[in-house]
Amino acid sequence: DAGITQSPRHKVTETGTPVTLRCHQTENHRYMYWYRQDPGHGLRLIHYSYGVKDTDKGEVSDGYSVSRSKTEDFLLTLESATSSQTSVYFCAISEEDFTDTQYFGPGTRLTVL
Amino acid sequence: QKEVEQNSGPLSVPEGAIASLNCTYSDRVSQSFFWYRQYSGKSPELIMSIYSNGDKEDGRFTAQLNKASQYVSLLIRDSQPSDSATYLCAVKRGSARQLTFGSGTQLTVLP
Repeated sequence: DAGITQSPRHKVTETGTPVTLRCHQTENHRYMYWYRQDPGHGLRLIHYSYGVKDTDKGEVSDGYSVSRSKTEDFLLTLESATSSQTSVYFCAISEEDFTDTQYFGPGTRLTVL
Repeated sequence: QKEVEQNSGPLSVPEGAIASLNCTYSDRVSQSFFWYRQYSGKSPELIMSIYSNGDKEDGRFTAQLNKASQYVSLLIRDSQPSDSATYLCAVKRGSARQLTFGSGTQLTVLP
């Protein structure tokens, strides 16, 4: 998985609780992304980062926040989890080159009860 | 209209046949195109990228891009049961870093 790890890999939580998912890379790539994947919707971008402390919103950012204090770590936080945020979350990374190729981590399956 | 559209399938082909997967996109400024394979319960894995019109071959896989008609396709020759997966088409628009994904086509290769 191109030197990308995600933690936790599985999590069950209750509505209203805060949740933080972690993405860690060992590739020293500049760009990092958080996606969610739901049946019938494919992969949808939540937030992305183009450097330490530099982030921007994606297509489905409501209810999510991110932080990147180090090149290797990109955190996704659900401030108050809702059942609609039950999903599989993937982190991806890409280099700053013309190919724009993104490589994906193993994913985190989150269930909000 | 979705930005990136794929037939959801399922698409079934016999072993040894050619599987043809299609993807259309709506934004004419799109520049980079990707095919990912995703096995059930796993993460997407890059198979092919293509940036200019025409064909690009890599082993049993051929990506075809036609920017005038706004479609990109993936051909898998000599399909194997191990090719059974969901195939995701992704498109990058202009200078943006983000990819927009289609919802995927589920392929089953029958032994």
